Amino acid sequence: RKEVEQDPGPFNVPEGATVAFNCTYSNSASQSFFWYRQDCRKEPKLLMSVYSSGNEDGRFTAQLNRASQYISLLIRDSKLSDSATYLCVVNSVGGNKLVFGAGTILRVKS
Amino acid sequence: DAMVIQNPRYQVTQFGKPVTLSCSQTLNHNVMYWYQQKSSQAPKLLFHYYDKDFNNEADTPDNFQSRRPNTSFCFLDIRSPGLGDAAMYLCATSSRFRTGTYNEQFFGPGTRLTVL
Repeated sequence: RKEVEQDPGPFNVPEGATVAFNCTYSNSASQSFFWYRQDCRKEPKLLMSVYSSGNEDGRFTAQLNRASQYISLLIRDSKLSDSATYLCVVNSVGGNKLVFGAGTILRVKS
Repeated sequence: DAMVIQNPRYQVTQFGKPVTLSCSQTLNHNVMYWYQQKSSQAPKLLFHYYDKDFNNEADTPDNFQSRRPNTSFCFLDIRSPGLGDAAMYLCATSSRFRTGTYNEQFFGPGTRLTVL
């Protein structure tokens, strides 16, 4: 089993749609959770950290479910500019590094 | 502004000719990472330093080496580049607490390596 797993997609959605991604992780002791966004041929950039209580930043909501070991990202009112790859990042088993998921591709179309 | 800087942004080398990529940071983070990313794939971790402690990934080829002479700088050496090593190389930093909690990673803009 991979340490961090994501549905690769692509998710093709119309503008204005709500879309959600999940990411599962294997390390039950993980303490650090993040969502990154990566545009084509650019470096990954932090979208948001994921806190135990869940957090929201504008149209983006991140949640953590420790019991089921997954984190989620919800995007409301999708924009064309949201088209990107979304990468989930979690502490590794053993906790000595951060591990990326393979990413979920989102394509928002007009 | 505090940041992660990578040089050069584009590197062209010949098959088998050693190349060194550099990364510097002004964030004073104790962890530095090197990733390889090929087209349409997720970043693949090659190795990372936690302070001076070097951690190699099990599947990183011996052809790839790294040095971290001080907190601010980290180098990636590719001893004999092959055509399959053409990729984007990303440097990232983060801070890690003794409890095992990490703050987020900050990435440099990457070095795009072409092997002729």
